[in-house]
Amino acid sequence: QSALTQPPSASGSPGQSVTISCTGTSSDVGGYNYVSWYQQHPAKAPNLLIYEVTKRPSGVPDRFSGSKSGNTASLTVSGLQAEDEADYYCSSYAGSNNVGVFGGGTKLTVL
Amino acid sequence: EVQLLESGGGLVQPGGSLRLSCAASGFTFSSFAMGWVRQAPGKGLEWVSALNAGGTTTYYADSVKGRFTISRDNSKNTMYLQMNSLRSEDTAVYYCGKRAPYCTTIFSGVDVWGQGTTVTVSS
Repeated sequence: QSALTQPPSASGSPGQSVTISCTGTSSDVGGYNYVSWYQQHPAKAPNLLIYEVTKRPSGVPDRFSGSKSGNTASLTVSGLQAEDEADYYCSSYAGSNNVGVFGGGTKLTVL
Repeated sequence: EVQLLESGGGLVQPGGSLRLSCAASGFTFSSFAMGWVRQAPGKGLEWVSALNAGGTTTYYADSVKGRFTISRDNSKNTMYLQMNSLRSEDTAVYYCGKRAPYCTTIFSGVDVWGQGTTVTVSS
C-alpha cells in the first residue's frame, strides 16, 4: 500500500493549462481503470473531480480532464482560474484485497 | 440533501480507544459501500478502512490492521470505526465517505464526504 507519486507543487497563470502527474505501479494505476482525482481546499473535505481515469461527475467543469498512460495518470486543468488554487490528490484502486491508495498531493498555485 | 455527519473524535492517550460514528441521511444507506479516510496535520489523504453495502466485506490499511474495526448498522444508517491501541501517528482528521453511485468500487470514487472529526492521540 505505497502512496502514489505526485509532484508536491504546480503553478500556472490564469487562463493557462497545468498538468499534474500521478505515478503508481502495475498493481494499482497501471492495472485498473479506477483512477480518481480530488480537489481539496484548506480545511475542507475533498471533492471528486474525475473518476475511472477520464470521467467527470455532473457539475464538475469540463476544464478538468483526466488521462492515463501505463502506470502514470494525469489531471489537466485548462483555463486556470483563481478558485482552482487548492490541493489535488490522485487515488487508485489497488486490488480486491486492498484499500485504495492516494498520492501525496499536489499544491496548485494560480499565479 | 445527501449528508454524512461524523462524531466521536477527541483527545485520547496513547494505547487508548475511541469509536467514531458516521450518520448518513438523504440516500439509501444500505445500498452503498462506505469508508474512512484520514488526514494527519499538514499531510495528505490516507485510506483507513472501508466496507461493502451489506457490511460483510471489510478492508483495512496495513497501518491500522488488527487495531481498528469498521462496521455499519443499516437499520440506523450509521457506520462506525472502533479504534483501539491508538498511537500518536493516528492523530488526524477522519472523514467518512460514500461510494459514488456511478462508480464500481468506493476506491474508484467517493462523491459525498462528511465534515471530518479530529482525533488527537497524545499524553
